[in-house]
Amino acid sequence: QVQLVQSGAEVKKPGASVKVSCKTSGYTFPSHDIHWVRQASGQGLEWMGWINPNSGNTDYAQKFQGRVSMTTDTSIRTAYMELSSLRPEDSAVYYCSRVAVGPFYYIDSWGQGTLVIVSS
Amino acid sequence: SSELTQDPALSVALGQTVRITCQGDALRNYYVNWYQQKPGQAPVVVIFGRNNRPSGIPHRISGSTSGNTASLTITGAQAEDEADYYCNSRDSTGNHLIFGGGTKLTVL
Repeated sequence: QVQLVQSGAEVKKPGASVKVSCKTSGYTFPSHDIHWVRQASGQGLEWMGWINPNSGNTDYAQKFQGRVSMTTDTSIRTAYMELSSLRPEDSAVYYCSRVAVGPFYYIDSWGQGTLVIVSS
Repeated sequence: SSELTQDPALSVALGQTVRITCQGDALRNYYVNWYQQKPGQAPVVVIFGRNNRPSGIPHRISGSTSGNTASLTITGAQAEDEADYYCNSRDSTGNHLIFGGGTKLTVL
């Protein structure tokens, strides 16, 4: 079955960077866009951006432009999201997710989430 | 506008019907998807492409859209329907996703 397994929780200091991995299995990795979504404690879902594993094309939410980088390694079916210049308000659970292939564009699978805490 | 607006919270009596709404100009051009999220869990899609249910989602959950407003209706709400619900679509560029602020549904 489709699985997206993310790396473990991270604690970072302000100004540092964090890189979250998302290892996939159970499907043809290059065929599905990967989106990253974050959720601060008690808050809603916030879309960060996406990457096409086949082409490497990315598109990021304006809020994160210049601070976020999404990449993939197709040889190991893994996607990565790196966020730099961390601030306390970046503390959140970060999810990788897969978009379905077909006439409707929606997220059909999610990783379990990675908690990132930014604190001095 | 590239925003989706939801009521922050709703409640429904067990077995009754509740409608969760989502408003935004994007819905005039793009399909809406709905996600259910329970505490400590990742979201799960319950409706996609306006009114399609993934396998395993009960028939009591349905979706509709009229103009700039999408609705998620739960007919005969059950205790397990208590969750946060998020609508999702694309922004005006079509390249970015947007989420509503979420509706916390309480089943009384």
